Amino acid sequence: NAGVTQTPKFQVLKTGQSMTLQCAQDMNHNSMYWYRQDPGMGLRLIYYSASEGTTDKGEVPNGYNVSRLNKREFSLRLESAAPSQTSVYFCASSEVRGNREQFFGPGTRLTVL
Amino acid sequence: DAKTTQPNSMESNEEEPVHLPCNHSTISGTDYIHWYRQLPSQGPEYVIHGLTSNVNNRMASLAIAEDRKSSTLILHRATLRDAAVYYCILRAGVLIQGAQKLVFGQGTRLTINP
Repeated sequence: NAGVTQTPKFQVLKTGQSMTLQCAQDMNHNSMYWYRQDPGMGLRLIYYSASEGTTDKGEVPNGYNVSRLNKREFSLRLESAAPSQTSVYFCASSEVRGNREQFFGPGTRLTVL
Repeated sequence: DAKTTQPNSMESNEEEPVHLPCNHSTISGTDYIHWYRQLPSQGPEYVIHGLTSNVNNRMASLAIAEDRKSSTLILHRATLRDAAVYYCILRAGVLIQGAQKLVFGQGTRLTINP
């Protein structure tokens, strides 16, 4: 099992450009999440999807959109990137029952110039 | 959201036990206490969680105070690989169809000396 995979690993954008960060999980989890982590800080939740077909805003949703493409995939889109969106982005997934521990991907390091 | 307070950093020696404290004085009766850690340049990984009783697993132990206002993560025999940022997190709010919104603080940066 690959767990949670994210693409790309690194990306540099110019202000105003758009891009989509991809996330996929092979653990058959219902819930998926997008976080961002700024230098020296903890993670902050951007959006989450409790189950296929649903998405909800987290703590810092402004400037982002998400799509839960299917049960496996959850993408994060920046329509018009800004320097304030320079960060490391982590995707995570979790099961509905049991421990509900979140499994995190390796992250995408995004720089907006 | 209930908040947690952790020391910014701690240092320990290899093969010695490490006790990482966490204060959560405003914890509600239904909040679980979760611990995650983040190794350098990696995503966080789950360590352990508990509600009221002390918990053990292959990675660590979690000791929860009787009044639940504090807890301690115990690494019984630290290795260099345990050097990471450790986050103490309370489950944030009601679960929506099982989704669990985690609120990360700044955590404790643990340094292990050889």
